[in-house]
Amino acid sequence: DAGVTQSPTHLIKTRGQQVTLRCSPISGHKSVSWYQQVLGQGPQFIFQYYEKEERGRGNFPDRFSARQFPNYSSELNVNALLLGDSALYLCASSLGRGGRTWDGANVLTFGAGSRLTVL
Amino acid sequence: GNSVTQMEGPVTLSEEAFLTINCTYTATGYPSLFWYVQYPGEGLQLLLKATKADDKGSNKGFEATYRKETTSFHLEKGSVQVSDSAVYFCALKGNTPLVFGKGTRLSVIA
Repeated sequence: DAGVTQSPTHLIKTRGQQVTLRCSPISGHKSVSWYQQVLGQGPQFIFQYYEKEERGRGNFPDRFSARQFPNYSSELNVNALLLGDSALYLCASSLGRGGRTWDGANVLTFGAGSRLTVL
Repeated sequence: GNSVTQMEGPVTLSEEAFLTINCTYTATGYPSLFWYVQYPGEGLQLLLKATKADDKGSNKGFEATYRKETTSFHLEKGSVQVSDSAVYFCALKGNTPLVFGKGTRLSVIA
């Protein structure tokens, strides 16, 4: 079975531009989460979507937005790029909507990430 | 709020040495605890987890025990291999999104 797939794997943008990152979850998973991993740091939560509705938002500016489609794939958009947006953007999927992980339904499976460089 | 603190790296060990990476947490309620591993150029992979106090998670020779009394979830392996070289992240999850530590880079030399 395919895991979580993300595209593109690498991209380079300049300040002020806009970027769209894409994520396809594991088949059957209805929840998608986005994380930003700056070099040398742990991943930081950006968004979670479940059944096409936003279920959580981290401490990121409004330049960051996301959506989930009927097939549960997702896009992350970042407008007006800044140098500090350079990072590895990770998508993760899970079966459940994001509560506790007693039965594994809410355990996240991560994709390999999209590495964004802003010049 | 919830937070995770793990020992800073890098950690450099010889092959077959014993590994400990310390992780402590602050959380309300009873979170689940995880160790994720990130190999060079790859995304995060779940290494092991524990969902309640005194649970021991184990996988690929790695172990970690959920210690509520010390709010810790230290990662251990009895004999590391060169292929274990990676960055290891401790993480917790309650009724909130997954919260990660900053990561500990492990380098194992032959």
